[in-house]
Amino acid sequence: EAGVAQSPRYKIIEKRQSVAFWCNPISGHATLYWYQQILGQGPKLLIQFQNNGVVDDSQLPKDRFSAERLKGVDSTLKIQPAKLEDSAVYLCASSFSGGNTIYFGEGSWLTVV
Amino acid sequence: QQQVKQSPQSLIVQKGGISIINCAYENTAFDYFPWYQQFPGKGPALLIAIRPDVSEKKEGRFTISFNKSAKQFSLHIMDSQPGDSATYFCAASKDQAGTALIFGKGTTLSVSS
Repeated sequence: EAGVAQSPRYKIIEKRQSVAFWCNPISGHATLYWYQQILGQGPKLLIQFQNNGVVDDSQLPKDRFSAERLKGVDSTLKIQPAKLEDSAVYLCASSFSGGNTIYFGEGSWLTVV
Repeated sequence: QQQVKQSPQSLIVQKGGISIINCAYENTAFDYFPWYQQFPGKGPALLIAIRPDVSEKKEGRFTISFNKSAKQFSLHIMDSQPGDSATYFCAASKDQAGTALIFGKGTTLSVSS
């Protein structure tokens, strides 16, 4: 069974530039999450989708971050404009609808310089 | 407000020893408590999980102990091996359909041979 796919794996951008990350969840998983993991910390939820609807985006910095999940499958997370403090690993995860087990991708590493 | 507090931040254990990582939570509505294991460059992966209707769950060398009255739970790794060297995260969520996990800050475990 294929896992959660993410791209790009690594990205270096200058502050105030924009970046987009793509995620393809495990087939059949209706719930998709984007987490931010800053070095040395645990993952922090940014946004949760159920199919193509947003369940929780309370911790998403909406002035610079946006996410969408068209057609209830793939998702894109965008940051514009990026700040130095956005340097982190952006983890996409998915689960069955109503399931507790969350499966993570390998993450997209962002460095803002 | 940090809802899941994890300790210690780092841990060094000799091969064959017992590794113990502790977590405390604040929200009494939490009733699903997993532990995730993360290797460098990889996403977190579910290791073992417990619900508060039991006080202990064991899977191979890994055991979760749960104390509902103290709002604490811990991970014990018996006969620790160098391959167990990783970062471990405790997490918690409400046992509702697809509720996102809230993670602790992580414990970096090094098992010396």
